[in-house]
Amino acid sequence: DADVTQTPRNRITKTGKRIMLECSQTKGHDRMYWYRQDPGLGLRLIYYSFDVKDINKGEISDGYSVSRQAQAKFSLSLESAIPNQTALYFCATSDQSGTGVHNEQFFGPGTRLTVL
Amino acid sequence: AQKITQTQPGMFVQEKEAVTLDCTYDTSDPSYGLFWYKQPSSGEMIFLIYQGSYDQQNATEGRYSLNFQKARKSANLVISASQLGDSAMYFCAMREGHSGGTSYGKLTFGQGTILTVHP
Repeated sequence: DADVTQTPRNRITKTGKRIMLECSQTKGHDRMYWYRQDPGLGLRLIYYSFDVKDINKGEISDGYSVSRQAQAKFSLSLESAIPNQTALYFCATSDQSGTGVHNEQFFGPGTRLTVL
Repeated sequence: AQKITQTQPGMFVQEKEAVTLDCTYDTSDPSYGLFWYKQPSSGEMIFLIYQGSYDQQNATEGRYSLNFQKARKSANLVISASQLGDSAMYFCAMREGHSGGTSYGKLTFGQGTILTVHP
């Protein structure tokens, strides 16, 4: 079973709709992240959370909100989707405790979102 | 200014040959880590190799090695004996700060390099 899962994997929606992307992890990591990937721009950080009570804006948070419902769950919402939010969205986790070798981030499989 | 720069949008290599993917970075933090990830056409992000700013030796992981030149702020990925399965997008990323820091953990990614391995 995958350690970091994302639902849905693909979503097509219309401008103005509210969309929620969900991320769950079984790795027991305290830190979770949301990125979006656009061609030619690499991955850019939207929001990150270092524990359930800690939520921080990333590089491109405008138009997005997040919720850390539990240590294992981190959701990304688009309150009113617009076409330039069409992208591949990744959730990732990392371990602050130092038990990981390099504390590298582990990524979910991605959610491909299309906003028409 | 870009923190991570990958200047090669695309690279081609013949199977069984070595290839170097370039990455330069910019930081004033003395403590940082550099990562390389592989993204095949299926889309998942696969961690390949890590280099810490205080590491004395270049990192190696199987056919992957990292040519770390700290003074030049470069962290190039070298793939030896390329295989067809190495065809993918490759991302360089940087994490700044100490593990006890409040912002530790975030990654900044480069734009990526698409590697194509020819038979």
